[in-house]
Amino acid sequence: KQEVTQIPAALSVPEGENLVLNCSFTDSAIYNLQWFRQDPGKGLTSLLLIQSSQREQTSGRLNASLDKSSGRSTLYIAASQPGDSATYLCARLQGAQKLVFGQGTRLTINP
Amino acid sequence: NAGVTQTPKFRVLKTGQSMTLLCAQDMNHEYMYWYRQDPGMGLRLIHYSVGEGTTAKGEVPDGYNVSRLKKQNFLLGLESAAPSQTSVYFCASSYSGRGHTEAFFGQGTRLTVV
Repeated sequence: KQEVTQIPAALSVPEGENLVLNCSFTDSAIYNLQWFRQDPGKGLTSLLLIQSSQREQTSGRLNASLDKSSGRSTLYIAASQPGDSATYLCARLQGAQKLVFGQGTRLTINP
Repeated sequence: NAGVTQTPKFRVLKTGQSMTLLCAQDMNHEYMYWYRQDPGMGLRLIHYSVGEGTTAKGEVPDGYNVSRLKKQNFLLGLESAAPSQTSVYFCASSYSGRGHTEAFFGQGTRLTVV
């Protein structure tokens, strides 16, 4: 069974810090990897998509990287803001276009 | 831009009752999915569809049925609701073209079975 693991489960940092969220997966034959944000009581919002042929993607203060050889993806958030507080989920494709999710990292940015 | 729309947003059922959750997408996506999200369990795939008229079981299909009669709609049915089906249900859709696959999610349906 292919698994996706996110560590840590929760993270609290002061405003303005740069931070890294980690995602690891057991199968290096990955298709794509997608990062999502989920606010309490809300749905999932897609942040970044990294195709299997790519190494990284950037959107504003967010940068996601993909290293298939080590089975890892990281989400880098620069100059964190209180509005970045949310749960961040990574998901990888597992055949037939199915997404397999990690448990998520609950991020709190303290003003 | 509607994207993925789920109906209803909230529902309370009594044990043994039945209901249908509706998911509609306006992006002409081939693939559609139903997930449930529970504390400590993350998102788990219930059923999915790779095209109109086709469905397949996911990780936790027991107690649920689905139908995809139209490309834009994916229905999730609970024939006899149980308290264990209390959860938040998410629908998603995705497309695949030249290796580019991206998933989009609805806002969720919060279901409580008492």
